[in-house]
Amino acid sequence: QVQLQESGPGLVKPSGTLSLTCAVSGGSISSSHWWSWVRQTPGKGLEWIGEIYDGGSTYYNPSLKSRVTISVDKSKNQFSLKVISVTDADTAVYYCARVGEWVMFDPWGQGTLVTVSS
Amino acid sequence: DIQMTQSPSSLSASVGDRVTITCRASQSISSYLNWYQQKPGKPPKLLIYAASSLQSGVPSRFSASGSGTDFTLTISSLQPEDFVTYYCQQSYIIPRTFGHGTKVEI
Repeated sequence: QVQLQESGPGLVKPSGTLSLTCAVSGGSISSSHWWSWVRQTPGKGLEWIGEIYDGGSTYYNPSLKSRVTISVDKSKNQFSLKVISVTDADTAVYYCARVGEWVMFDPWGQGTLVTVSS
Repeated sequence: DIQMTQSPSSLSASVGDRVTITCRASQSISSYLNWYQQKPGKPPKLLIYAASSLQSGVPSRFSASGSGTDFTLTISSLQPEDFVTYYCQQSYIIPRTFGHGTKVEI
């Protein structure tokens, strides 16, 4: 079965760039699925960041669109998230997930905590 | 954005109880509603998709219904492992949005 695993720095400085990668195993990223990033904070709860198709098409949350880029690397079977100009409001647990036919998120990665702090 | 309002935000129940959680969308989302269960320190787990379809491997004590703006998740007989948090999520339009969760407590 498909498994996802997030990786990347757990600490990012304010105004810096947050970069995470989601490695897909047990299946191909080129499997006619969309792939998504979701983050979670105690205050705002679960927030959808955006998603990408293996051909490179993307959708982003308008609230983050100006700062977010999602890309895919088929050769490595992974996709990535980049958030620029981060503030402490970007401190969250970041999850990657596969998007199903009814735009449900399944499965999810285990999540990675990213803290924005100097 | 479509606002998803869950109620209650928390509830107290006992093992064996039947509980119902409600999710209301700020506009019609047809049947584009998914339910997740989240245990502490773990990612959300898909329980129900398309408003009422049980995800493979999910126990049959979980069921859901609804369409348009009003949806419910029912647990027919609470088991000890069910005392966690549940979220709804609309997949009708972008941005995808989640409810703020319902914590089921003993």
